[in-house]
This record gives sequence, structure tokens and C-alpha cells, in this order.
Amino acid sequence: EAGVAQSPRYKIIEKRQSVAFWCNPISGHATLYWYQQILGQGPKLLIQFQNNGVVDDSQLPKDRFSAERLKGVDSTLKIQPAKLEDSAVYLCASSATSGGGDTQYFGPGTRLTVL
Amino acid sequence: GQNIDQPTEMTATEGAIVQINCTYQTSGFNGLFWYQQHAGEAPTFLSYNVLDGLEEKGRFSSFLSRSKGYSYLLLKELQMKDSASYLCAVRDRGLSNNDMRFGAGTRLTVKP
Repeated sequence: EAGVAQSPRYKIIEKRQSVAFWCNPISGHATLYWYQQILGQGPKLLIQFQNNGVVDDSQLPKDRFSAERLKGVDSTLKIQPAKLEDSAVYLCASSATSGGGDTQYFGPGTRLTVL
Repeated sequence: GQNIDQPTEMTATEGAIVQINCTYQTSGFNGLFWYQQHAGEAPTFLSYNVLDGLEEKGRFSSFLSRSKGYSYLLLKELQMKDSASYLCAVRDRGLSNNDMRFGAGTRLTVKP
């Protein structure tokens, strides 16, 4: 079974530029998550999709971050414009459902450096 | 809010046993997960506890006490490859859509 795929793996941009990340979840997984992980911290949930609908974006900085999952499969996360403090690893995860015991499986992440 | 506390760093010797503790506060506990994360890699699932007690899975065991808001991950027969960060994560019904929140992680170094 293929895991969660993400691209690119690394990205370096200057502040105020835009960037987009792509995620392809495990086949058949209805729930998709985007996390931000700053060095030395645990992952912080940015947004959660159930199929193609947003179920939680309470921690997403909506003035600069946006995400979509139009056909309920792949997802993109965009930052526009980027700030220095956005330097982090952006992790995508998926789970079969959003139930209490459902395990989230993570992709390799995209390491973003904002200069 | 939800606090999840873990020691920042631990060191242990190859072949030994190490216990990584996690304490948490929730308004609606709905499960606790442990993940392993090697440097530069994605977190990988280790264990899940929702009822009190010990869950054993090979060299790894995880314990939960809901009344105390406490869990630990026990690693036996440590190997060098066990050097990694160990993340405690808690699902909370009190959060939006039963979200899961992660602790900052415990960086374990296994020495020869």
C-alpha cells in the first residue's frame, strides 16, 4: 500500500513570496490533515478535511494560508505572502475516518525555509 | 486549553529500558497516541490507548491512566536505531471536531 505522498520535499523562498505544497493521501482515506511543525516542537494542526469539506480550520492563519481538496483526494496548501516565521516542516497526514481511534499516517513533509 | 507535557530530552544505554512520560489535560479525553519521529522524517505510529492499562507491542509498551491524565511509553532492549523523538498526542472531544494535539516530543538518545 502506497503511503502519503508530498511534494516538493524542500523549498526555499524569500519573504513575501508565495509557495504551494501538494499532498496525495493514502487511497481510500477520507480524512486529510495539514500540520505545521516548527523545529523542536510537535506538529500543530492547520486544517482538517473530511472528503472535500473543511471540518476544522480554527488554527489556520487565514490571512495568508489557504488550502483546498477539490475532488476529495489530493490537497494543496498555499502560503501567500510568506513570512520568516513560516519556516517549518509542513506535514500532510491521512486517516480512514476521523474517529477517535483512527490512526493518522504521515507523509515525508515539505521543509520550507523563508529567507 | 490543552497542555501536553513531556520531558525534552532523555539519554539511555543500548540494551537498557527507558520510560518516557506524558501528562495531559483535556476537556473530553478520547484517546492517546504515541509516535516515533526520526530526525528529518515524518512521525510514524507506535501505539494507541483509550482505556486504562498497558498495551504491549513487541519491545514497545504504552500505559494510560485517564484519572491521572498520564501515559508512558516503555522501550525495552534499546537499540541504537531507537534514537529519535517520541511524540505524545491526545484526542480531545472538547476541541473542534475531535482534534488531536501533539506534545513537543521527547528526544531520546541511545548510547553504546
